[in-house]
Amino acid sequence: DAGITQSPRHKVTETGTPVTLRCHQTENHRYMYWYRQDPGHGLRLIHYSYGVKDTDKGEVSDGYSVSRSKTEDFLLTLESATSSQTSVYFCAISERTGGSPLHFGNGTRLTVT
Amino acid sequence: GESVGLHLPTLSVQEGDNSIINCAYSNSASDYFIWYKQESGKGPQFIIDIRSNMDKRQGQRVTVLLNKTVKHLSLQIAATQPGDSAVYFCAEATGGGNKLTFGTGTQLKVEL
Repeated sequence: DAGITQSPRHKVTETGTPVTLRCHQTENHRYMYWYRQDPGHGLRLIHYSYGVKDTDKGEVSDGYSVSRSKTEDFLLTLESATSSQTSVYFCAISERTGGSPLHFGNGTRLTVT
Repeated sequence: GESVGLHLPTLSVQEGDNSIINCAYSNSASDYFIWYKQESGKGPQFIIDIRSNMDKRQGQRVTVLLNKTVKHLSLQIAATQPGDSAVYFCAEATGGGNKLTFGTGTQLKVEL
């Protein structure tokens, strides 16, 4: 798993509540990513980070925010969870840009009721 | 688990046969391509990658072929084993970047 830990692994929450998912890496990689995986859509990029305090939006960023205060931690926050955010969330890391593979954690299954 | 195998195209092969998984990509400007394997309850696992200046790359038991003319990518697995059963995704990136766009996946089932 390339030294990536996602927590929690499973979470059930109610509509309208805030939720924070954590990704922790021990590889000291500069780049970190949050993807969501849904049937029929594959994996879609939510946000990514290219360094401490440097983040940018992906293709499905609405309703999500991120923070990266340390190299090893990348947090994904749903400010007010909605049922459409029920999904499996994957964190990924990569060592450099210019075409290097992403390595993924084992995911967090989030259910919003 | 965390896999999302519903309604995926499925390829069934006999153990020991070769498997070919195909992927049509959408962006003619894509210059970096990756194949991932995802087992139930796990995250995608990197298999092999290829840049657009190549048309073939080989790894251990795997070969990736890239045909830029028709925007087609394939993954060949030699002597397929039961442990190869999983969902396989292709992904592409543009401009030398790492923001990958993923396909929807193919389920590979290996029959004994």
